Amino acid sequence: LAKTTQPISMDSYEGQEVNITCSHNNIATNDYITWYQQFPSQGPRFIIQGYKTKVTNEVASLFIPADRKSSTLSLPRVSLSDTAVYYCLVSNFGNEKLTFGTGTRLTIIP
Amino acid sequence: NAGVTQTPKFRILKIGQSMTLQCAQDMNHNYMYWYRQDPGMGLKLIYYSVGAGITDKGEVPNGYNVSRSTTEDFPLRLELAAPSQTSVYFCASSYRAGGDYTQYFGPGTRLTVL
Repeated sequence: LAKTTQPISMDSYEGQEVNITCSHNNIATNDYITWYQQFPSQGPRFIIQGYKTKVTNEVASLFIPADRKSSTLSLPRVSLSDTAVYYCLVSNFGNEKLTFGTGTRLTIIP
Repeated sequence: NAGVTQTPKFRILKIGQSMTLQCAQDMNHNYMYWYRQDPGMGLKLIYYSVGAGITDKGEVPNGYNVSRSTTEDFPLRLELAAPSQTSVYFCASSYRAGGDYTQYFGPGTRLTVL
């Protein structure tokens, strides 16, 4: 499975757009990219998933360049409730063994 | 739907004791997973199941056992508890069909082994 690298922590002010980038240089052709959010004392929660280009849902956007060696999670107009750890995962459609790295700890400042 | 439920929420064990962590889902998902999360770390896969009667090892299976006799339940068994098994345990399930590979997680069980 492709190894992922993402910043350990980020701070942002309320109301700003936050972009968290994940590097996955050895992503394979049949790998897809998923982002999860985890609040303290809770299980991770699915945010968004994509294979290429751009995916948008009601909470976030995911940008994946043509070479797919990185991806960027974009959170529009963050609030204090977006303070959490965000995990980028790369896995393929036939492999169950997801690997969660240490994630990015996002802190939103009032 | 209750989603994924886990019991107990907290447990303290003595070294050498045994226990079973319960996990149930009511979404008719075929895939179920057990993870552990140590403080400040990401989740590590212990075991997973692709359907009733079928289980396989994940990244860190030593010291644990699982069984899957029904679609709904996926218990995790610790036979001889050790301090290294102090962690938060998460159960998850997914459907994995039609392009949806989302995993739905339970609230976790916090286990301390003393």
